[in-house]
Amino acid sequence: EPEVTQTPSHQVTQMGQEVILRCVPISNHLYFYWYRQILGQKVEFLVSFYNNEISEKSEIFDDQFSVERPDGSNFTLKIRSTKLEDSAMYFCASTPTGANYGYTFGSGTRLTVV
Amino acid sequence: GENVEQHPSTLSVQEGDSAVIKCTYSDSASNYFPWYKQELGKGPQLIIDIRSNVGEKKDQRIAVTLNKTAKHFSLHITETQPEDSAVYFCAASMGGNEKLTFGTGTRLTIIP
Repeated sequence: EPEVTQTPSHQVTQMGQEVILRCVPISNHLYFYWYRQILGQKVEFLVSFYNNEISEKSEIFDDQFSVERPDGSNFTLKIRSTKLEDSAMYFCASTPTGANYGYTFGSGTRLTVV
Repeated sequence: GENVEQHPSTLSVQEGDSAVIKCTYSDSASNYFPWYKQELGKGPQLIIDIRSNVGEKKDQRIAVTLNKTAKHFSLHITETQPEDSAVYFCAASMGGNEKLTFGTGTRLTIIP
């Protein structure tokens, strides 16, 4: 069964440093998403991306965050200057195009900011 | 925006018994309601979903019911097994490729 792949599985970074979280969506999917889950809390929407541009973002997704599809397979989330409160599990997801409801999530990257 | 409430936050059930998890949503425009199972260290996995034109859907031991008037939907797991132990999340969406709004999760523990 096709999978969404995320790397690394765990990243520890110093506060103020930049991090890039990487995702390889399912190959025939065209919509990509980032969600995050702070420990013990609900999964929260960050951003959706389609046709090489952001289609929607939440209030969490401020100027410190950016997303990019640098090539035909990768989808990245960059946090420019990490804060302690950015510590969370970050999930990438993808869906096919059209009126399809099939979200597939990756296994996540646990980001720890120290 | 949409707000999804989920209850209970924890649920312990004897193996073989049934488990029920309930969610309410606020936005009447939401029309797609998936349920996800999250095991330790893994991402959410879709286990069942329902669209607003259907009142009930069943897949083996798992069923979901939807009451659009009351804006609530429920997950029912029958004949529970130890491997059903996990965190379960409900979510709501306007369908298609729209974002998901998640509930707060239910930690289900099946007691052997």
